[in-house]
Amino acid sequence: GENVEQHPSTLSVQEGDSAVIKCTYSDSASNYFPWYKQELGKRPQLIIDIRSNVGEKKDQRIAVTLNKTAKHFSLHITETQPEDSAVYFCAANSGNTPLVFGKGTRLSVIA
Amino acid sequence: GAVVSQHPSWVICKSGTSVKIECRSLDFQATTMFWYRQFPKQSLMLMATSNEGSKATYEQGVEKDKFLINHASLTLSTLTVTSAHPEDSSFYICSARGGANQPQHFGDGTRLSIL
Repeated sequence: GENVEQHPSTLSVQEGDSAVIKCTYSDSASNYFPWYKQELGKRPQLIIDIRSNVGEKKDQRIAVTLNKTAKHFSLHITETQPEDSAVYFCAANSGNTPLVFGKGTRLSVIA
Repeated sequence: GAVVSQHPSWVICKSGTSVKIECRSLDFQATTMFWYRQFPKQSLMLMATSNEGSKATYEQGVEKDKFLINHASLTLSTLTVTSAHPEDSSFYICSARGGANQPQHFGDGTRLSIL
């Protein structure tokens, strides 16, 4: 089955700086790669996703890149703000399979 | 659109009690529902996958006799934790999908505390 590795586990950045979180996946059949933001005690919220027919996708301050050959994808947050502080999860799946999550990255944005 | 409702949001009960958690897709038909468990400071771990009208498929290490899953309709799945013990205390999150290649939509989760 799919295995998703995520790094780093914790990340601290100064407000205004950029944050990058990286994930790798093992199943070459995976074709959907969402990123979730989870605040304490709440459900994960989808913030951006990318499918395998696209190499990059951007939504305001958030972007995701995908390298199918290397089986890795990354989340980029620019101009970070204190409200970006949360736990971020990457995930992967294909077609009928369930989402498999990475172990998460705790992002702290220091004002 | 694509709202998943999960109840209850918080349960506290004594050891040995059975607890039922409901997951409903409010505005779409969920052919597949997933149940995840999340321990503090950990990731979401898939427990089981259920298709409407079929028996659930459990992940390795998840006791199917302890975690009973029913998916009797296209809008409702239930997870019953039987004879719950303190080690079952966790955050349980359901997720529903309308069909293959459709995104998974998540419920708000249920925080289960067993005393």
